[in-house]
Amino acid sequence: AQSVTQPDIHITVSEGASLELRCNYSYGATPYLFWYVQSPGQGLQLLLKYFSGDTLVQGIKGFEAEFKRSQSSFNLRKPSVHWSDAAEYFCAVGFRRNKLVFGAGTILRVKS
Amino acid sequence: DAGVTQSPTHLIKTRGQQVTLRCSPKSGHDTVSWYQQALGQEPQFIFQYYEEEERQRGNFPDRFSGHQFPNYSSELNVNALLLGDSALYLCASSLEQVLNSPLHFGNGTRLTVT
Repeated sequence: AQSVTQPDIHITVSEGASLELRCNYSYGATPYLFWYVQSPGQGLQLLLKYFSGDTLVQGIKGFEAEFKRSQSSFNLRKPSVHWSDAAEYFCAVGFRRNKLVFGAGTILRVKS
Repeated sequence: DAGVTQSPTHLIKTRGQQVTLRCSPKSGHDTVSWYQQALGQEPQFIFQYYEEEERQRGNFPDRFSGHQFPNYSSELNVNALLLGDSALYLCASSLEQVLNSPLHFGNGTRLTVT
């Protein structure tokens, strides 16, 4: 069965520090992978997506993610975190006509 | 360019009642998907509509039904509400002709069942 694992429920980083959020997936075919961000009480905003090609993808707000097939991972990174990045981040696998399966999410806290 | 809009933003219902939630997709999009996000949980796929038909469905009971109109807008109906139906209901739209067109989400409708 398709599944997405985000092993870190909460992460706290200092403003200006680098960030890496982990995501592992289980999927039999070539995955379509996404990272979304959600602020409290809001909808989901797409940060970036991977369909094929270059395994390092750039997204909005300075985020990037790297697809590693050998590790079944799609980790999200940002070199310098801003206080406004505090939110919940969801990794998702897309398949079968845009049906998404989400990971449990990682809540990012930024300390000043 | 209007994004995905949902109404109402908040709703309080009593157990056993019925509710209808509405969604207008992003301009140019023709496919609408609905997700349920319980508090502190990830979104769960309810169903998807394309060409006014339910095309695929997640693991939700028949109490959950929907509709898509010719203008691509959609409704989600939930009958015989249970306390466990309390959640943020998210609508997402995409474009069928674009392979794995990324979903654009609305801000959701917060449903509270008392």
